[in-house]
Amino acid sequence: GDSVTQMEGPVTLSEEAFLTINCTYTATGYPSLFWYVQYPGEGLQLLLKATKADDKGSNKGFEATYRKETTSFHLEKGSVQVSDSAVYFCALIGFMEYGNKLVFGAGTILRVKS
Amino acid sequence: KAGVTQTPRYLIKTRGQQVTLSCSPISGHRSVSWYQQTPGQGLQFLFEYFSETQRNKGNFPGRFSGRQFSNSRSEMNVSTLELGDSALYLCASSLEGTQGSNEQFFGPGTRLTVL
Repeated sequence: GDSVTQMEGPVTLSEEAFLTINCTYTATGYPSLFWYVQYPGEGLQLLLKATKADDKGSNKGFEATYRKETTSFHLEKGSVQVSDSAVYFCALIGFMEYGNKLVFGAGTILRVKS
Repeated sequence: KAGVTQTPRYLIKTRGQQVTLSCSPISGHRSVSWYQQTPGQGLQFLFEYFSETQRNKGNFPGRFSGRQFSNSRSEMNVSTLELGDSALYLCASSLEGTQGSNEQFFGPGTRLTVL
C-alpha cells in the first residue's frame, strides 16, 4: 500500500539556520503530496501541497518540490525562527483514491533555539 | 468563518465502556474524516464520510464506527474500550471534490484516555 517515510527527529537548529526535512513516498501513479504542521496542543494545519510532478508548493517561507524521479517531497526553509518549532508531517493522498484519505509519515519534531 | 470544532476536548473512560465523539465541520464542507494519533502508531486514518455516506475506511476493528448527519456534523463511536484506544482523535473537514484537490481543515482533537 501507499506509505510515507520521513527523517527521524528531533531536529534542533539555531534561529536563522537552513532547514531540510526529508520525505520520500511509495505510491502508484501520481499521488497528491502535502506538508502539515502541528503546534503544541493544536490540530494539524496544511503548510503546503503539490498535486503533480515538478510542482513547487510554498507558504510562509517553506518550500517543497514534487520530485517524481526520486519519489521525494523534501521540506525546506532558508531561515527558521523560534516560532517554527512544531511537528511536521509529510502526507499523501493516493492517485486512485476517491476522497480525502491522507496517509501520513511519522512526523519530525523541529526545535529552534534562539 | 468558524473552524472545525470537536467535543469534548478531553475524555476519561474505563476499559469496556463506550464513547461518542462529535465533530462539527466548517460551514459548507461536506466531507468529514477521522484520524487517530498515538505516539506509537502516529496518525492513522479511521474513516471518511461524505453526504452521510462512508466513502473510505481505514484498517480499524468494527468497534470503531461513525456516522454523518444531514447537516454534515459527524460522530464517531468506540465500543468496548481498550487501553490501546487512548489517543488524540482528530477530525478534518473539506469541500467536496476529487482527490487531492481540497485542503483538509483539522479540529483541535479530542484527547481520550482509557484507564
